[in-house]
Amino acid sequence: QKEVEQNSGPLSVPEGAIASLNCTYSDRGSQSFFWYRQYSGKSPELIMSIYSNGDKEDGRFTAQLNKASQYVSLLIRDSQPSDSATYLCAVNPWTGGFKTIFGAGTRLFVKA
Amino acid sequence: EADIYQTPRYLVIGTGKKITLECSQTMGHDKMYWYQQDPGMELHLIHYSYGVNSTEKGDLSSESTVSRIRTEHFPLTLESARPSHTSQYLCASSVDREGSEKLFFGSGTQLSVL
Repeated sequence: QKEVEQNSGPLSVPEGAIASLNCTYSDRGSQSFFWYRQYSGKSPELIMSIYSNGDKEDGRFTAQLNKASQYVSLLIRDSQPSDSATYLCAVNPWTGGFKTIFGAGTRLFVKA
Repeated sequence: EADIYQTPRYLVIGTGKKITLECSQTMGHDKMYWYQQDPGMELHLIHYSYGVNSTEKGDLSSESTVSRIRTEHFPLTLESARPSHTSQYLCASSVDREGSEKLFFGSGTQLSVL
């Protein structure tokens, strides 16, 4: 079992719709959770972080965390073609200290 | 805005050559990392550093080596490149905010070994 699992996609949504990206993790003691966006041929950039159960909103992005289900999600409201990218879920396991574990990412395609 | 630089951006080299991938950051971050990423795959941690004169191997076995003589500089060296080393190499540094490490990545080096 991979430590961080994501559906590879591609996930295709029309412009203006809500895109929902999901991630599960295996280490129940994990403390910190992140979403990175990676455009094709570019490096990952951090867009959201979440540490407590519940929702965290930042502009059009909402991160959701459910530690009991070991589940993290990212919602993108009013999706734009510029949101088309690969979204990487990342976790800081308690045992690993500051070593971040990445999922393989979900490719999102927003159709104009 | 992250200030972390990698050179070269692309490198095509023959088998057996020694190569060094450069990484520098101007943010004064203590922790630095090297990740390896193949297309459509996870980033795998191959080396990290807590600070000057500190280096550790990551979770993915790698034949490369690193050094950390200065805070801002974290080069990666392959003594004898092989086709299996063909990959994207990403350097990152991190800062502790809100009790966790947030990663800032360089633009990466795409290495092709013929």
